[in-house]
Amino acid sequence: DSGVTQTPKHLITATGQRVTLRCSPRSGDLSVYWYQQSLDQGLQFLIQYYNGEERAKGNILERFSAQQFPDLHSELNLSSLELGDSALYFCASSVGLAGSNTGELFFGEGSRLTVL
Amino acid sequence: AQTVTQSQPEMSVQEAETVTLSCTYDTSESDYYLFWYKQPPSRQMILVIRQEAYKQQNATENRFSVNFQKAAKSFSLKISDSQLGDAAMYFCAYWWANSKLTFGKGITLSVRP
Repeated sequence: DSGVTQTPKHLITATGQRVTLRCSPRSGDLSVYWYQQSLDQGLQFLIQYYNGEERAKGNILERFSAQQFPDLHSELNLSSLELGDSALYFCASSVGLAGSNTGELFFGEGSRLTVL
Repeated sequence: AQTVTQSQPEMSVQEAETVTLSCTYDTSESDYYLFWYKQPPSRQMILVIRQEAYKQQNATENRFSVNFQKAAKSFSLKISDSQLGDAAMYFCAYWWANSKLTFGKGITLSVRP
């Protein structure tokens, strides 16, 4: 068990809908990362938050947004869903303290999103 | 931009044998970290091994070891005495100074009993 909790584990929805994925990082971790894993694109970095602030942005679509709350949990919001958004969405966390972050991430089990 | 390339999509190994998974990367940095992550059918990403670029000695974790060639920008994973539980997808990843962790596309390893 990595200590990172993601909900829901599975989600099936229709095109055009909006969903929210939730992540609770390991106790003490300040950084939260979101990754999208699809068959054709592999693991794509979406966005990172550190202690409530956006830290880095990757290949995140404008229809997607995220935030990290004061209790450090994070939510990834996906709207106007398309068939191509079907993927496994991972949340990961790290120690994230300046100077001590060695890049090791602790991953949740992922949220499998299916858009029909 | 940093890139990570895993050119082999699939490999197969006989149980108890040794297999090597290849990875190359591109970077202009001199100090960075490289990782191999394992993703079993349970789909959770698990760290297998980590290598600091400033260390010349290759990292080893039990049956897992790496061959790190900094000049060639090559980072391969060797699995010795392969076990059925090693069957999984393996991702090579690169990280530098609080930047994002960049993954290769992964390789599916199957283990034949």
